[in-house]
Amino acid sequence: NAGVTQTPKFQVLKTGQSMTLQCAQDMNHNSMYWYRQDPGMGLRLIYYSASEGTTDKGEVPNGYNVSRLNKREFSLRLESAAPSQTSVYFCASSAGRATDTQYFGPGTRLTVL
Amino acid sequence: GENVEQHPSTLSVQEGDSAVIKCTYSDSASNYFPWYKQELGKRPQLIIDIRSNVGEKKDQRIAVTLNKTAKHFSLHITETQPEDSAVYFCAAKLKTSYDKVIFGPGTSLSVIP
Repeated sequence: NAGVTQTPKFQVLKTGQSMTLQCAQDMNHNSMYWYRQDPGMGLRLIYYSASEGTTDKGEVPNGYNVSRLNKREFSLRLESAAPSQTSVYFCASSAGRATDTQYFGPGTRLTVL
Repeated sequence: GENVEQHPSTLSVQEGDSAVIKCTYSDSASNYFPWYKQELGKRPQLIIDIRSNVGEKKDQRIAVTLNKTAKHFSLHITETQPEDSAVYFCAAKLKTSYDKVIFGPGTSLSVIP
């Protein structure tokens, strides 16, 4: 099992450009998450998906959209990137029961110039 | 809104000493409290967790305690080793939102040989 995979690993964008971060898991998990990590601010939830076909906003959803394409894949889209979106983005998944562990992907380091 | 606070933000200890990290949460309905360890440049990984019906849990040199009345929970690492150096995140899973996890801002632990 590869677990949770993310692409790309690194990306540099110019202000106003768009891009999609891809995430996939092969653990048959129901729930998937997108977090951003900034120095001194821990992990902040952007969006999550409790099951295929559903998505909900987290703490910091502005400027992002998500798609739960199927049970395996959960993508994050930046329509018009801003320097404030420079961050490390982590995707995670869990089986979805009330106490299940979240498994994280390796992260995408995004820089917006 | 829901919030998880974590203290201290940085912690330095001598090898062999104990380290304690404390967290508080705001939502009294939270029922699951995981702790994650993140080494430099790597993804967060679960090290221990505790459920709201348990007061203490141990796993070798790591223990977590929970005080539901005070809405506090703590991570205790005994006999620290240099490989314990990392950023540690506490988190709380909200009972009101089935799959939503809120992370604390993190504690950077340095173990000095």
